[in-house]
Amino acid sequence: GAVVSQHPSWVICKSGTSVKIECRSLDFQATTMFWYRQFPKQSLMLMATSNEGSKATYEQGVEKDKFLINHASLTLSTLTVTSAHPEDSSFYICSARGISGESSEQFFGPGTRLTVL
Amino acid sequence: GQNIDQPTEMTATEGAIVQINCTYQTSGFNGLFWYQQHAGEAPTFLSYNVLDGLEEKGRFSSFLSRSKGYSYLLLKELQMKDSASYLCAVMDSNYQLIWGAGTKLIIKP
Repeated sequence: GAVVSQHPSWVICKSGTSVKIECRSLDFQATTMFWYRQFPKQSLMLMATSNEGSKATYEQGVEKDKFLINHASLTLSTLTVTSAHPEDSSFYICSARGISGESSEQFFGPGTRLTVL
Repeated sequence: GQNIDQPTEMTATEGAIVQINCTYQTSGFNGLFWYQQHAGEAPTFLSYNVLDGLEEKGRFSSFLSRSKGYSYLLLKELQMKDSASYLCAVMDSNYQLIWGAGTKLIIKP
């Protein structure tokens, strides 16, 4: 199957700093990438949908100025958590959907565990 | 509103069979997915159903009834490594995935 990578796998940062997470589709072109957040023992929560070359669509309640998403190419999307606070500590997972069709499955990255001190 | 329901937790014995149910109410339907998620890891794809019926893949099978808004994931010959959360997700008319809360499956020896 298709491979999606995320970097970094985990990050610890001080409150007030910004953290950038990269999501790459390694062997296919992803027209659409999704960013999820998952708190312990809870289900995935979609934060935003990004399409290559256009602005991301954010879910209700997700601050677009705090969670900056850039989908600059068909293989790379980045999520920047600006001025991170302890409540932003979570497991951030990206997924990518290929060019072949809107109904195709999403391929998930391995996730990034963010801990804000 | 959109809603996906699945049991919170299930327990089964190694070597046995378990069925995890999922019911859904969504705005439109473009397929139902089952994912497996081990603790601390990202979900991995198990199955995709868009037509009614049973799809079999080795020890795992998934069933869909669109008229009933119902699916189940059937796991046979359970192994300890099958202990994980199983997530049901429906793709709605906007091709967005609507996620269930997941079913934590505990396998006992």
